[in-house]
Amino acid sequence: DTEVTQTPKHLVMGMTNKKSLKCEQHMGHRAMYWYKQKAKKPPELMFVYSYEKLSINESVPSRFSPECPNSSLLNLHLHALQPEDSALYLCASSPYGGNEQFFGPGTRLTVL
Amino acid sequence: RKEVEQDPGPFNVPEGATVAFNCTYSNSASQSFFWYRQDCRKEPKLLMSVYSSGNEDGRFTAQLNRASQYISLLIRDSKLSDSATYLCVVRRPMGQNFVFGPGTRLSVLP
Repeated sequence: DTEVTQTPKHLVMGMTNKKSLKCEQHMGHRAMYWYKQKAKKPPELMFVYSYEKLSINESVPSRFSPECPNSSLLNLHLHALQPEDSALYLCASSPYGGNEQFFGPGTRLTVL
Repeated sequence: RKEVEQDPGPFNVPEGATVAFNCTYSNSASQSFFWYRQDCRKEPKLLMSVYSSGNEDGRFTAQLNRASQYISLLIRDSKLSDSATYLCVVRRPMGQNFVFGPGTRLSVLP
């Protein structure tokens, strides 16, 4: 299994909702990432987990809360988002110390 | 100055043309360098890593000049299927931290 899966594919939420994005990989990768991508812009790193511990937080607002329950799963909990948070949220994984990142197809999030 | 910069594009070229993309990075301690491609409404995928000695994969050639902090990608005999956005990616000195350039859009025309 050489893929990263993400659910849901699309999500529409209001500013008062709480929702979660999920990411899963079974490649044995010990580094997992969340990126945010706005239209016509490159992916921007949000968080990195290394061996299930948060190793990088790129000054992301607290309304985004990551969680890594085990070595295969990565969640992103969303609460009180703003319309400007609407974007494609990409999950990726890589072997720890490795260079190639494998991306999931993303969750397209719309905040109303 | 942005950490990773690329040609602004877009590039519109006929099939069979040779096209070159340029990328510069600001952190001289950056460790590793890559080219990714991203098709419209899809996720990025690794095209090739870039090594100091330069490397080639079929029609694609990547070069790295550490002294000038410059990376390039050459595509020969371009195909319609090469149409995509090409992203230059640099790994920061510490940890699993990757920075994407803004990307250059390529359209190969019949």
